[in-house]
Amino acid sequence: AQKVTQAQTEISVVEKEDVTLDCVYETRDTTYYLFWYKQPPSGELVFLIRRNSFDEQNEISGRYSWNFQKSTSSFNFTITASQVVDSAVYFCALSEESGNTPLVFGKGTRLSVIA
Amino acid sequence: GAGVSQSPRYKVAKRGQDVALRCDPISGHVSLFWYQQALGQGPEFLTYFQNEAQLDKSGLPSDRFFAERPEGSVSTLKIQRTQQEDSAVYLCASSRLGRGVIKNIQYFGAGTRLSVL
Repeated sequence: AQKVTQAQTEISVVEKEDVTLDCVYETRDTTYYLFWYKQPPSGELVFLIRRNSFDEQNEISGRYSWNFQKSTSSFNFTITASQVVDSAVYFCALSEESGNTPLVFGKGTRLSVIA
Repeated sequence: GAGVSQSPRYKVAKRGQDVALRCDPISGHVSLFWYQQALGQGPEFLTYFQNEAQLDKSGLPSDRFFAERPEGSVSTLKIQRTQQEDSAVYLCASSRLGRGVIKNIQYFGAGTRLSVL
């Protein structure tokens, strides 16, 4: 069975601080996909990134970066120089080999960035 | 529209009432998913369509829950004889099926918040 664990329930940081959101996953599939979504107060889940299990390169997109390590089954997300607009709930998710299949989500991490 | 549209945004129902929640996927998206998100939790899978075919309904919590997508576009999630434990946000997502990098990204609507009194 697939499982995603986000151990941090809530994080609060002061604006401009860096913050890392942790994600640990479990799966028996050799090929799988990992995702991060952002859920602002409006409720809509906003796609941030997808990574497949064969691609362990770290990725940077502006202030966002992702560190994928298969050895520790982790896919952590770092926001550099956080801003108030980053305040949201962030979800890590996993899907099986075939893609286009149901996502298994973690419980989410609520990030509050204080001005 | 450009994104996934769900209606109504909010629904209050009395216990025992039937409700219907609507999802308009992104135009051209073949796959459609329904998720249930309880307060303070991550979304949990309910059911999945590819065109009009319901390929997986393993996540539906009881036979009071029913989903359809008769013409392969708009989908309706129906809950019969609502109970208090059905109170949650119901999220719909769609994705394009096909070759290429973007094929398995699910794009979500803003959800319908159901409160059963």
